[in-house]
Amino acid sequence: QSALTQPASVSGSPGQSITISCTGTSSDVGAYNYVSWYQQHPGKAPKLMIYDVTNRPSGVSNRFSGSKSGNTASLTISGLQAEDEADYYCSSYTSSKTLVFGAGTKLTVL
Amino acid sequence: EVQLLESGGGLVQPGGSLRLSCAASGFTFSSYAMTWVRQAPGKGLEWVSTISGSRGGTNYADSVKGRSTISRDNSQNTLYLQMNSLRAEDTAVYYCARRAEGSGNYYAFDYWGQGTLVTVSS
Repeated sequence: QSALTQPASVSGSPGQSITISCTGTSSDVGAYNYVSWYQQHPGKAPKLMIYDVTNRPSGVSNRFSGSKSGNTASLTISGLQAEDEADYYCSSYTSSKTLVFGAGTKLTVL
Repeated sequence: EVQLLESGGGLVQPGGSLRLSCAASGFTFSSYAMTWVRQAPGKGLEWVSTISGSRGGTNYADSVKGRSTISRDNSQNTLYLQMNSLRAEDTAVYYCARRAEGSGNYYAFDYWGQGTLVTVSS
């Protein structure tokens, strides 16, 4: 199972919005509404930001939103803040009953 | 408060074995599927294995299938990962994670442990 495709890096200024894409196939992202997004700061465990494509866990800011179209899922962060600077990973359930992650995207807040 | 605490990591020679543990507290452990995810130094996340809550059904990544066994002791609120025939490429921080509340399947994780480092080297 190949990793989902994410841009290696994205950047934005405070207050701006950014979108991170996550492209898979018709056997994973395109097949199920089971895409999740995780935020990971250096040396820390990942934190769930979005699950089941669009759902935010309790306590996660509504500045974070998720969507999907075909084989590509997206994470949008609006009103960018300095503390949003981190690595972001998408994941998707697959038709092989496994889980695949993206390679990760480094978000830089300028 | 939900807590997950991994242990059992360390330095092991290629071909060796290791058993990782994850002690859970703050929730009804038997009601949740649990998962191991690993992260090699400077690399991304890699799903390793998942076990269901009560029936104990399991799933493995191809990279560890046949060499690793996930298990759980619901009476002790503990998750395990037995790893055999370890290779250099198994070197990683291993995280245990809980199935996300409200998710439609087993593969979103709302609580993670702090991780335990496994280093495979001679």
